[in-house]
Amino acid sequence: EAGVAQSPRYKIIEKRQSVAFWCNPISGHATLYWYQQILGQGPKLLIQFQNNGVVDDSQLPKDRFSAERLKGVDSTLKIQPAKLEDSAVYLCASSPATGLAPGTGELFFGEGSRLTVL
Amino acid sequence: GNSVTQMEGPVTLSEEAFLTINCTYTATGYPSLFWYVQYPGEGLQLLLKATKADDKGSNKGFEATYRKETTSFHLEKGSVQVSDSAVYFCALSDGGYNKLIFGAGTRLAVHP
Repeated sequence: EAGVAQSPRYKIIEKRQSVAFWCNPISGHATLYWYQQILGQGPKLLIQFQNNGVVDDSQLPKDRFSAERLKGVDSTLKIQPAKLEDSAVYLCASSPATGLAPGTGELFFGEGSRLTVL
Repeated sequence: GNSVTQMEGPVTLSEEAFLTINCTYTATGYPSLFWYVQYPGEGLQLLLKATKADDKGSNKGFEATYRKETTSFHLEKGSVQVSDSAVYFCALSDGGYNKLIFGAGTRLAVHP
């Protein structure tokens, strides 16, 4: 079974430029997550989708970050304009869990996209 | 809000040593608790979990017991191997839809 695919693996940009990350979750997984992992910190949830609807985006800096999940499959996370503090690894994860009932807690993560903002 | 606190790393051990990585949590209600592991060059993956008080999760020789009275979920292994070198993350579930809150992670380095 194919895992969660992310691209690009690495990206270096200058501040105020824009960047986009792509994620293809495991086939059939209804829920998709974007996490931000700053060096030395644990992953922090940015946005969570169930199918193509947003479940939680309370920690997404909406003035510069946007995300979409068209057709309930692939997802794109965009940053525009980037700031120095956006340097981090952006992790995509998926889960078969649906609904409000707590799931198994097993999220399947991609290898991440490392962003460096200069 | 809910949060997870892990012991700081790195933790450096010799092969076959005993491992403990401390994890404590703050939460309303009764969350499920998890340990995830990130091996070098790989994505995070679930190591073990416990869904209610006094439950013990176990996998690959690792164990952790959900202690409600001390709000802890410490990770233990009796005899570590070089292949256990990785970053370990403690996490708790925060409401529905499998939303997880992670600790900062603890890096483990095991030397032969």
